[in-house]
Amino acid sequence: AQSVAQPEDQVNVAEGNPLTVKCTYSVSGNPYLFWYVQYPNRGLQFLLKYITGDNLVKGSYGFEAEFNKSQTSFHLKKPSALVSDSALYFCAAAPFGAGSYQLTFGKGTKLSVIP
Amino acid sequence: DSGVTQTPKHLITATGQRVTLRCSPRSGDLSVYWYQQSLDQGLQFLIQYYNGEERAKGNILERFSAQQFPDLHSELNLSSLELGDSALYFCASSVEAGGPPDTQYFGPGTRLTVL
Repeated sequence: AQSVAQPEDQVNVAEGNPLTVKCTYSVSGNPYLFWYVQYPNRGLQFLLKYITGDNLVKGSYGFEAEFNKSQTSFHLKKPSALVSDSALYFCAAAPFGAGSYQLTFGKGTKLSVIP
Repeated sequence: DSGVTQTPKHLITATGQRVTLRCSPRSGDLSVYWYQQSLDQGLQFLIQYYNGEERAKGNILERFSAQQFPDLHSELNLSSLELGDSALYFCASSVEAGGPPDTQYFGPGTRLTVL
């Protein structure tokens, strides 16, 4: 069974500062990892994914994530936070080689960017 | 706009009733996933259909069922509704042409309230 943990329920950061939203995973086989963002009363929007290759993955809206196999982490980062980045962020994992790629989600981290 | 549509947006019904949620995937996507988002359980995978056939089941109650039609739209049927079924129900679609997982694109969700 696979699991995804987001250790922080909430992250507060000042506008213009770098932000990090943490994610750790436990999967068997090669991990397939994703970040999604959810704005109030909206569906989930895809930000980026790690399938294989470079450990630093670049995504939408200036976000990037660093895959670290030894630490089983996939932290989401952005060099300079915007107030409009305030939202709920979900890390997710898909099973390896299972024929179905249903996502297992973390519990989400609420990001608040303070003006 | 992800290209995935869900109807209705909101649904209010009573305990014991039956409802049907509808999802139209993005053009060209063969796979539809259903997820439930609730405050206590977070985001959980329910069921996946691929090109009309059930491919995977997650934490889906026996009172719930789904199907995917020849035009690839999908319906999630919830029966004998209980208060605890109140949640946001999302569908997501992806191409799944084979190989590593394709990105799942989420619809805006259906908010179900059971009174």
